[in-house]
Amino acid sequence: EAGVVQSPRYKIIEKKQPVAFWCNPISGHNTLYWYRQNLGQGPELLIRYENEEAVDDSQLPKDRFSAERLKGVDSTLKIQPAELGDSAVYLCASSGQGRETQYFGPGTRLLVL
Amino acid sequence: KQEVTQIPAALSVPEGENLVLNCSFTDSAIYNLQWFRQDPGKGLTSLLLIQSSQREQTSGRLNASLDKSSGRSTLYIAASQPGDSATYLCAVRRGDSGNTPLVFGKGTRLSVIA
Repeated sequence: EAGVVQSPRYKIIEKKQPVAFWCNPISGHNTLYWYRQNLGQGPELLIRYENEEAVDDSQLPKDRFSAERLKGVDSTLKIQPAELGDSAVYLCASSGQGRETQYFGPGTRLLVL
Repeated sequence: KQEVTQIPAALSVPEGENLVLNCSFTDSAIYNLQWFRQDPGKGLTSLLLIQSSQREQTSGRLNASLDKSSGRSTLYIAASQPGDSATYLCAVRRGDSGNTPLVFGKGTRLSVIA
């Protein structure tokens, strides 16, 4: 079984530039999560999808962050414009219906200069 | 608001030692608790999941215990090996359902010296 796929693995941009991250969850997994992990910290949830519906986006900074999960499969997280404080690892995770274990992708490491 | 604390923040032990990692959480109304391992530059790998009704779970050399009423969990690693070197993260899920988001601690960075 293929795991959660994320791309790119690394991204370096200048502040005020836009950036997008892509995630493909494990096949058949209905629930998809985006987390942000700052250096030396645990991951923090940004948004959770049940199929194509965003059911928990209370921690997503909506002035600059947006996400979509069209067709309830893969998902894109966008930042526009990026700020220095957005430098972090962005992790995608998925879980199947009725299954509680979340499977994480390798993450996208973002550096904003 | 649920807060998760892990102690110690870092730990260095010689190979072969048994060790204990600690996790505490402020709200005891949890659905379950998970221990993860994170290797540098990589994602998280689930090690053990304990339901709120359970007291412990075991997998190989790993044993996790849960005392929900006191808001504590421990991860016991027996006969540590250099390959165990990683950051170990504790996470709890609030008491709604199995799909609610996880609240993570900051992790314990473990180094096992050969």
